[in-house]
Formats: sequence, C-alpha cells, structure tokens
Amino acid sequence: GAGVSQSPSNKVTEKGKDVELRCDPISGHTALYWYRQSLGQGLEFLIYFQGNSAPDKSGLPSDRFSAERTGGSVSTLTIQRTQQEDSAVYLCASSTDRTGGYTFGSGTRLTVV
Amino acid sequence: AQSVTQLGSHVSVSEGALVLLRCNYSSSVPPYLFWYVQYPNQGLQLLLKYTSAATLVKGINGFEAEFKKSETSFHLTKPSAHMSDAAEYFCAVRTPDQGGKLIFGQGTELSVKP
Repeated sequence: GAGVSQSPSNKVTEKGKDVELRCDPISGHTALYWYRQSLGQGLEFLIYFQGNSAPDKSGLPSDRFSAERTGGSVSTLTIQRTQQEDSAVYLCASSTDRTGGYTFGSGTRLTVV
Repeated sequence: AQSVTQLGSHVSVSEGALVLLRCNYSSSVPPYLFWYVQYPNQGLQLLLKYTSAATLVKGINGFEAEFKKSETSFHLTKPSAHMSDAAEYFCAVRTPDQGGKLIFGQGTELSVKP
C-alpha cells in the first residue's frame, strides 16, 4: 500500500478483555516496529521484526503483550487481560533498512475502561 | 546504550521568529539521527535525518539540523516560524549495534503565536 495502515483507529475495551491491534506495513518493507505513546511518556519501543530473524521483544512491558508477523507482512499486537494503564496510542512503523527513518501509521488509540 | 534528551518540553515562538529545538544524544558508536513531527491526532512524519554524510541536513517545510559530534547535539532550526509549524517534535537516535530500533526523546511541543 501507499502507507502504513493500522486498524482499528480507535478501540474502547473493558478492563480484563483481550484486544488485537493490526498493522499493515508498506509493501516491501522488511522491518516492522511497534511503539506505544502515552500522555506525557513519549514514545516507548515495544517490539521489532526484521525479515525472518527472531523478533526483538525487549520492550514488551509484560507477558500480557505479544505480537506476531505473518508472512513477513501484516502484524498483530495482542494485549491480554487489559488494564487501565494500557490506555495509550499504539503506533506501528515500517522501514526498508537500518539507516533510514521509519514510516509511521496513524496509530490505534486504545482506551481501557 | 544510546539515549536522547530534548531540552524543553514546551517552546513558544512568535510567527516569523527563529525556531530552535534542542536535542542531545548519547551513543558509543556513530549514530543515525532523526527529527519527526507529529500534528494533533496524526502519526509521526519524518522531517529529516543524519546518516553520516553532510553534517548540515535540510528537511521538509524549511527545517534543518546540524550534527555536532563535539557537542553530541542535533538541534533543529527554522529561520522563520509559521503558524502551521505548531506541533510536537521528536528527536530520535538509531545505532547499528542496536539493530533497527529508534530511541526517541520525550518530545517538544512547539506553539506559534500570531
């Protein structure tokens, strides 16, 4: 596609429910990243996929968070048993190499009530 | 490990005045440096990047930044602010030894007064 696409754009969920956030990167981009943006917290790295290599999961805040990338393209970030502190904007980005910048999607705003 | 510090969480300038947003980085190896802009309710857009070529980098919308190794800085400037420049700006660092991930600063919110 022309850009990085994320869905849904907004999600309201009840505490304790599971949610899935989807990211469709730019075609041909081998690297895909998930970040979380909380009010007053800046951008927090979550997880990084590069080609067929094992993902870098060092930023996932707890074992309730997981992500997968199928076929080297679409990625899904799953949050189990959501908590109120999970409320944030979840941003996905993709890139072609290690020297360039990322292209970001518009994000999914998650609200846990 | 590398890190980024942006001095000033809020900066306010008058329309037509110089914009200066400060960024200092910490890295044990030569870094790649980036500035992103985020308009309200939108994703991040790349303004410019430094990847070890020219130290003065020109970006979109009239912005530029200069890489100064001796000062470990990568400050963002624009000679004359426009109302449409009001947004949040993020500095980020990326080093080859850390794979591909970008480490972001906390962001600086730029306000432009008429």
